[in-house]
Amino acid sequence: DMKVTQMPRYLIKRMGENVLLECGQDMSHETMYWYRQDPGLGLQLIYISYDVDSNSEGDIPKGYRVSRKKREHFSLILDSAKTNQTSVYFCASSFGQGGNTLYFGEGSRLIVV
Amino acid sequence: GDQVEQSPSALSLHEGTGSALRCNFTTTMRAVQWFRKNSRGSLINLFYLASGTKENGRLKSAFDSKERYSTLHIRDAQLEDSGTYFCAAETGNYKYVFGAGTRLKVIA
Repeated sequence: DMKVTQMPRYLIKRMGENVLLECGQDMSHETMYWYRQDPGLGLQLIYISYDVDSNSEGDIPKGYRVSRKKREHFSLILDSAKTNQTSVYFCASSFGQGGNTLYFGEGSRLIVV
Repeated sequence: GDQVEQSPSALSLHEGTGSALRCNFTTTMRAVQWFRKNSRGSLINLFYLASGTKENGRLKSAFDSKERYSTLHIRDAQLEDSGTYFCAAETGNYKYVFGAGTRLKVIA
């Protein structure tokens, strides 16, 4: 059905708590991404995954880690969330390892208080 | 690092009129994508271009890798075109760098 699904869509966490954002895609895309978007800024790349257990840091990886154990699933983990990690997080996937359209999920809004 | 400058940052159009959005790149990019963020927050694919131009309905996009820019033209704007438009440029290592977005408001 060509869909990227993010869970949860909305989340409120206290500072220091762990956060797990999950992303699934049904297109067997090799490459998956995690971005965050803040007001007045474009999307910033946190991590990119080229396939299972083949992950690479993006532009702002500090404070985040990822897990890709299955091709269709890519998780973003915040160990000990900070208030400056309040943001909207977007997952995306694409066929192959570049040169193809990005498909985005609907975003996960995280508030850290 | 690689940067994308997107302009204008905000734009108001009356229904039926048109305008162009532009992204300038600081380096040579492999391709560009254009997205619209709708009222639900979803990023909708508009175009993917590795070169040349593409047209879809009232939208037309161009990408010139050598001159380091891409444009998105909207004609006969409708109320449902309102939203934030982003360009994303594909760098040599298959990552994307996003512009800061253009907030478009179409006015009746």
